[in-house]
Amino acid sequence: DAGVIQSPRHEVTEMGQEVTLRCKPISGHNSLFWYRQTMMRGLELLIYFNNNVPIDDSGMPEDRFSAKMPNASFSTLKIQPSEPRDSAVYFCASSLTAGGRDTQYFGPGTRLTVL
Amino acid sequence: TQLLEQSPQFLSIQEGENLTVYCNSSSVFSSLQWYRQEPGEGPVLLVTVVTGGEVKKLKRLTFQFGDARKDSSLHITAAQPGDTGLYLCRGVANAGNMLTFGGGTRLMVKP
Repeated sequence: DAGVIQSPRHEVTEMGQEVTLRCKPISGHNSLFWYRQTMMRGLELLIYFNNNVPIDDSGMPEDRFSAKMPNASFSTLKIQPSEPRDSAVYFCASSLTAGGRDTQYFGPGTRLTVL
Repeated sequence: TQLLEQSPQFLSIQEGENLTVYCNSSSVFSSLQWYRQEPGEGPVLLVTVVTGGEVKKLKRLTFQFGDARKDSSLHITAAQPGDTGLYLCRGVANAGNMLTFGGGTRLMVKP
């Protein structure tokens, strides 16, 4: 099994540009999670999906952030327009059962730097 | 979102020492997970505790779930440099917005 796949691994962009982060969960998993990690705020849950449906997006910081899961094998997290304070490592994770109460399998993360 | 507090936030020790890190909440959890994250990687599950008072051992790591299922501890015996990393606890509650990670304990074990 290839595990959770994220791309790109690193992204450097300028303020105001659109950023799209991509995630491929583990095949057969029913929940997908997007997290943001910074030294100041730790690991924050942004949004999670059960069976491709967004369940809780209360962690999404503002309207500049949006996430989609068009099918069971692909999700995107988009930031438009990006700001320097969005600089962080963004993780995607998947879990087998809907609801995410079981083991979370994390991808390697995307390190985003907004200049 | 339930609040999980981890302590200490940072810990730097010498190889061979013992240490304990804590994960505390005022809320009751149906289960609690411990993860370790190494630099440049995502967190990886170490253990899940489910029953109040439960103790689980993973080699030199001992995990305990509080009797009231509100807190947990991780004890490492004879720490090694390979134990260096960020230790995160994650609480799973029965109702409400139940999926939350603690702030983490960053451990450095010096040779």
